[in-house]
Amino acid sequence: DAGVTQSPTHLIKTRGQHVTLRCSPISGHKSVSWYQQVLGQGPQFIFQYYEKEERGRGNFPDRFSARQFPNYSSELNVNALLLGDSALYLCASSFTPSGPQEQYFGPGTRLTVT
Amino acid sequence: AQKVTQAQTEISVVEKEDVTLDCVYETRDTTYYLFWYKQPPSGELVFLIRRNSFDEQNEISGRYSWNFQKSTSSFNFTITASQVVDSAVYFCALSPVSSGSARQLTFGSGTQLTVLP
Repeated sequence: DAGVTQSPTHLIKTRGQHVTLRCSPISGHKSVSWYQQVLGQGPQFIFQYYEKEERGRGNFPDRFSARQFPNYSSELNVNALLLGDSALYLCASSFTPSGPQEQYFGPGTRLTVT
Repeated sequence: AQKVTQAQTEISVVEKEDVTLDCVYETRDTTYYLFWYKQPPSGELVFLIRRNSFDEQNEISGRYSWNFQKSTSSFNFTITASQVVDSAVYFCALSPVSSGSARQLTFGSGTQLTVLP
Protein backbone atom coordinates (compact mmCIF):
# COMPACT_ATOMS: atom_id res chain seq x y z
CA ASP A 1 0.00 0.00 0.00
CA ALA A 2 1.17 3.50 -0.75
CA GLY A 3 2.18 5.67 2.16
CA VAL A 4 1.30 9.31 2.68
CA THR A 5 2.10 11.29 -0.44
CA GLN A 6 2.74 15.01 -0.71
CA SER A 7 3.15 17.36 -3.63
CA PRO A 8 5.12 19.17 -4.73
CA THR A 9 8.42 17.96 -3.31
CA HIS A 10 10.10 21.34 -3.50
CA LEU A 11 8.74 24.80 -4.09
CA ILE A 12 10.29 28.25 -4.38
CA LYS A 13 8.07 31.29 -3.91
CA THR A 14 8.52 35.03 -3.51
CA ARG A 15 7.45 37.04 -0.48
CA GLY A 16 3.80 38.05 -0.68
CA GLN A 17 2.79 35.17 -2.92
CA HIS A 18 0.35 32.41 -2.11
CA VAL A 19 1.11 28.68 -1.99
CA THR A 20 -0.96 25.48 -1.94
CA LEU A 21 0.48 22.22 -0.68
CA ARG A 22 -1.26 18.89 -1.18
CA CYS A 23 -1.44 15.66 0.78
CA SER A 24 -2.97 12.25 0.12
CA PRO A 25 -3.37 10.06 3.20
CA ILE A 26 -2.87 6.33 3.41
CA SER A 27 -5.86 4.48 2.00
CA GLY A 28 -8.50 4.14 4.71
CA HIS A 29 -7.13 6.94 6.88
CA LYS A 30 -9.64 9.69 7.52
CA SER A 31 -7.59 12.08 9.62
CA VAL A 32 -4.91 14.39 8.23
CA SER A 33 -2.60 16.67 10.18
CA TRP A 34 -0.17 19.33 8.98
CA TYR A 35 3.12 20.27 10.62
CA GLN A 36 5.72 22.94 9.90
CA GLN A 37 9.37 22.10 10.50
CA VAL A 38 11.79 24.99 10.37
CA LEU A 39 15.41 24.00 9.80
CA GLY A 40 17.03 22.78 12.99
CA GLN A 41 13.80 22.51 14.95
CA GLY A 42 11.15 19.92 15.66
CA PRO A 43 7.87 19.90 13.73
CA GLN A 44 5.12 22.24 14.94
CA PHE A 45 1.45 21.37 14.68
CA ILE A 46 -0.58 23.53 12.31
CA PHE A 47 -3.94 21.79 11.70
CA GLN A 48 -5.78 18.53 12.03
CA TYR A 49 -8.78 17.56 9.90
CA TYR A 50 -11.12 14.62 10.28
CA GLU A 51 -14.08 13.88 8.07
CA LYS A 52 -13.63 17.30 6.46
CA GLU A 53 -13.95 19.10 9.77
CA GLU A 54 -11.17 20.99 11.53
CA ARG A 55 -10.37 19.18 14.77
CA GLY A 56 -7.42 21.20 15.95
CA ARG A 57 -5.40 24.28 15.16
CA GLY A 58 -1.95 25.23 16.34
CA ASN A 59 -0.58 28.67 17.05
CA PHE A 60 -0.30 29.91 13.48
CA PRO A 61 -1.62 33.15 11.92
CA ASP A 62 -4.77 33.30 9.82
CA ARG A 63 -2.59 33.36 6.70
CA PHE A 64 -2.53 29.60 7.13
CA SER A 65 -5.65 27.67 6.18
CA ALA A 66 -6.48 24.13 5.17
CA ARG A 67 -9.29 21.95 4.00
CA GLN A 68 -10.03 18.27 3.55
CA PHE A 69 -11.86 16.79 0.61
CA PRO A 70 -14.41 13.96 0.44
CA ASN A 71 -11.63 11.54 -0.56
CA TYR A 72 -9.78 12.60 2.65
CA SER A 73 -6.95 14.30 0.78
CA SER A 74 -6.03 17.71 2.09
CA GLU A 75 -4.64 21.08 1.03
CA LEU A 76 -2.66 23.54 3.10
CA ASN A 77 -2.80 27.14 1.90
CA VAL A 78 -0.52 29.93 2.98
CA ASN A 79 -1.20 33.52 1.92
CA ALA A 80 1.09 36.54 1.90
CA LEU A 81 4.23 34.45 2.27
CA LEU A 82 6.97 35.66 4.58
CA LEU A 83 10.62 34.65 4.62
CA GLY A 84 9.92 32.90 7.93
CA ASP A 85 7.49 30.54 6.22
CA SER A 86 10.45 28.76 4.63
CA ALA A 87 10.28 25.27 6.08
CA LEU A 88 9.56 21.61 5.49
CA TYR A 89 5.80 21.06 5.61
CA LEU A 90 4.84 17.60 6.75
CA CYS A 91 1.52 15.86 6.40
CA ALA A 92 0.51 12.95 8.61
CA SER A 93 -2.46 10.61 8.42
CA SER A 94 -4.18 8.22 10.81
CA PHE A 95 -7.40 6.22 11.01
CA THR A 96 -8.99 8.40 13.65
CA PRO A 97 -8.33 11.87 15.06
CA SER A 98 -7.29 10.64 18.50
CA GLY A 99 -6.36 7.48 20.37
CA PRO A 100 -3.25 5.31 20.42
CA GLN A 101 -2.84 4.75 16.71
CA GLU A 102 0.30 6.39 15.46
CA GLN A 103 0.40 8.98 12.72
CA TYR A 104 2.20 8.16 9.50
CA PHE A 105 4.15 11.00 7.98
CA GLY A 106 4.75 11.85 4.36
CA PRO A 107 8.10 12.94 2.90
CA GLY A 108 7.18 16.60 3.15
CA THR A 109 7.20 19.63 0.87
CA ARG A 110 10.19 21.90 1.21
CA LEU A 111 9.10 25.50 0.74
CA THR A 112 11.64 28.24 0.17
CA VAL A 113 10.47 31.84 0.27
CA THR A 114 12.83 34.40 -1.26
CA ALA B 1 0.72 23.86 27.68
CA GLN B 2 2.93 20.97 26.70
CA LYS B 3 6.68 21.05 26.27
CA VAL B 4 9.31 18.51 25.26
CA THR B 5 13.00 19.11 25.90
CA GLN B 6 15.85 17.24 24.27
CA ALA B 7 18.97 18.69 25.81
CA GLN B 8 21.37 16.75 23.61
CA THR B 9 21.73 18.59 20.32
CA GLU B 10 24.29 16.23 18.77
CA ILE B 11 25.74 12.86 19.74
CA SER B 12 28.49 10.92 17.99
CA VAL B 13 29.27 7.29 18.72
CA VAL B 14 31.32 4.58 17.11
CA GLU B 15 29.49 1.68 15.54
CA LYS B 16 28.43 -1.06 17.99
CA GLU B 17 28.37 1.32 20.94
CA ASP B 18 25.15 1.75 22.88
CA VAL B 19 23.65 5.24 22.89
CA THR B 20 20.92 6.81 25.02
CA LEU B 21 18.88 9.80 23.92
CA ASP B 22 17.34 11.90 26.66
CA CYS B 23 13.85 13.40 26.71
CA VAL B 24 12.11 15.42 29.42
CA TYR B 25 8.53 16.58 29.06
CA GLU B 26 6.00 18.86 30.70
CA THR B 27 2.24 18.43 30.55
CA ARG B 28 -0.82 19.16 32.67
CA ASP B 29 -2.64 16.14 31.28
CA THR B 30 -2.91 13.15 33.57
CA THR B 31 -2.86 10.74 30.66
CA TYR B 32 -0.82 11.14 27.52
CA TYR B 33 1.22 9.33 24.91
CA LEU B 34 4.95 9.59 24.41
CA PHE B 35 6.68 8.82 21.13
CA TRP B 36 10.08 8.56 19.54
CA TYR B 37 10.43 9.34 15.83
CA LYS B 38 13.46 9.10 13.57
CA GLN B 39 14.11 11.52 10.72
CA PRO B 40 16.77 10.41 8.22
CA PRO B 41 18.21 12.90 5.72
CA SER B 42 15.32 12.14 3.33
CA GLY B 43 13.08 14.11 5.72
CA GLU B 44 10.29 11.61 6.36
CA LEU B 45 9.50 11.06 10.02
CA VAL B 46 9.56 7.36 10.91
CA PHE B 47 7.62 6.14 13.94
CA LEU B 48 9.75 4.09 16.36
CA ILE B 49 7.93 3.59 19.65
CA ARG B 50 4.89 4.75 21.65
CA ARG B 51 4.33 4.65 25.37
CA ASN B 52 1.13 5.29 27.37
CA SER B 53 1.53 7.40 30.49
CA PHE B 54 -0.49 4.91 32.54
CA ASP B 55 1.92 2.07 31.77
CA GLU B 56 5.40 2.59 33.13
CA GLN B 57 6.69 -0.83 32.17
CA ASN B 58 9.87 -0.44 30.23
CA GLU B 59 10.35 -2.65 27.23
CA ILE B 60 12.83 -3.75 24.65
CA SER B 61 12.07 -4.05 20.97
CA GLY B 62 14.96 -5.41 19.00
CA ARG B 63 17.86 -2.99 19.41
CA TYR B 64 15.57 -0.31 20.86
CA SER B 65 14.63 0.08 24.50
CA TRP B 66 13.13 2.89 26.52
CA ASN B 67 13.06 4.04 30.09
CA PHE B 68 9.88 5.86 31.07
CA GLN B 69 9.86 7.48 34.51
CA LYS B 70 6.71 9.44 35.25
CA SER B 71 8.12 10.70 38.55
CA THR B 72 10.86 12.60 36.73
CA SER B 73 8.89 13.22 33.49
CA SER B 74 11.57 11.50 31.46
CA PHE B 75 11.31 9.19 28.47
CA ASN B 76 14.79 8.12 27.42
CA PHE B 77 15.51 6.00 24.37
CA THR B 78 18.43 3.60 23.95
CA ILE B 79 19.83 2.04 20.82
CA THR B 80 21.95 -1.03 21.53
CA ALA B 81 24.85 -1.94 19.26
CA SER B 82 24.42 1.14 17.09
CA GLN B 83 24.85 0.92 13.33
CA VAL B 84 25.79 3.51 10.73
CA VAL B 85 22.22 3.33 9.38
CA ASP B 86 20.98 4.62 12.73
CA SER B 87 22.45 8.02 11.90
CA ALA B 88 19.51 10.44 11.84
CA VAL B 89 17.74 13.09 13.86
CA TYR B 90 15.67 11.59 16.65
CA PHE B 91 12.60 13.37 18.01
CA CYS B 92 10.74 12.78 21.23
CA ALA B 93 7.06 13.78 21.10
CA LEU B 94 4.02 14.03 23.36
CA SER B 95 0.28 13.98 22.67
CA PRO B 96 -2.87 14.03 24.80
CA VAL B 97 -5.01 10.94 25.26
CA SER B 98 -8.41 12.61 25.63
CA SER B 99 -10.74 11.46 22.86
CA GLY B 100 -11.90 15.03 22.38
CA SER B 101 -8.41 16.29 21.75
CA ALA B 102 -6.83 16.62 18.38
CA ARG B 103 -3.95 14.27 17.72
CA GLN B 104 -1.56 17.12 18.25
CA LEU B 105 2.02 16.01 18.66
CA THR B 106 4.36 18.32 20.53
CA PHE B 107 7.92 17.61 19.44
CA GLY B 108 11.26 18.31 21.03
CA SER B 109 13.99 20.04 19.07
CA GLY B 110 15.65 16.76 18.14
CA THR B 111 19.00 15.05 18.69
CA GLN B 112 21.31 14.52 15.74
CA LEU B 113 22.86 11.08 16.12
CA THR B 114 25.94 10.24 14.07
CA VAL B 115 27.22 6.70 14.14
CA LEU B 116 30.78 6.45 12.85
CA PRO B 117 32.08 3.28 11.20
